Amino acid sequence: EALLVESGGGFVQPGRSLRLSCAASGFTFGDYAMHWVRQAPGKGLEWVSGISWNSDTKGYADSVKGRFRISRDNAKNSLFLEMNSLRDDDTALYYCAKNGRGTGTYPDYWGQGTLVIVSS
Amino acid sequence: SYELTQPPSLSVSPGQTARITCSGDALPKKYAYWYQQKSGQAPVLVIYEDTKRPSGIPERFSGSSSGTMATLTISGAQVGDEADYYCFSSDSSSNLFFGTGTKVTVL
Repeated sequence: EALLVESGGGFVQPGRSLRLSCAASGFTFGDYAMHWVRQAPGKGLEWVSGISWNSDTKGYADSVKGRFRISRDNAKNSLFLEMNSLRDDDTALYYCAKNGRGTGTYPDYWGQGTLVIVSS
Repeated sequence: SYELTQPPSLSVSPGQTARITCSGDALPKKYAYWYQQKSGQAPVLVIYEDTKRPSGIPERFSGSSSGTMATLTISGAQVGDEADYYCFSSDSSSNLFFGTGTKVTVL
């Protein structure tokens, strides 16, 4: 069974950077696209970024474009999210998620999340 | 920015049918996906590609789509189905979005 474990969250001041990691196991990581999804406290889900299985294709929500960068290391079964120029409204629980089977682009299995708090 | 609009809340009695709608202009050409998120937990996929149910999801969960609206139906809702439900889809440029979310209460 798939297991996704996020790490790297914490308390950071506005304007600073943070790098999130996601360790994957229980499935062939290199076969699947991956996603980052966030949820601000008491709010709904927001798709943040996604990356294809071979890193050729990357996508970002408008709210993070130009500030966040997604990457992966298939040899280490790991997904990353580099977050720069952080703002108060980036405060959220950040989930790593595996893409579903087939041709569709959608998260199907999620980790438990890592909390990022941006505040002065 | 593209919007997938859901009713904020829905309340049904146990055993009744709950229908959650998701409205979006690109839905005639894009699949809808549905997630259940119980309090304090990570979301769980309950419907993919409009109508398909992942393994392990009870048969009382079903999906449909017509025109600009997708619908998640919970037939014979149970107290354990109380959760927030989110649709997910893409716009005409394949940018990805979640719906606004619907809080379902079963009591």
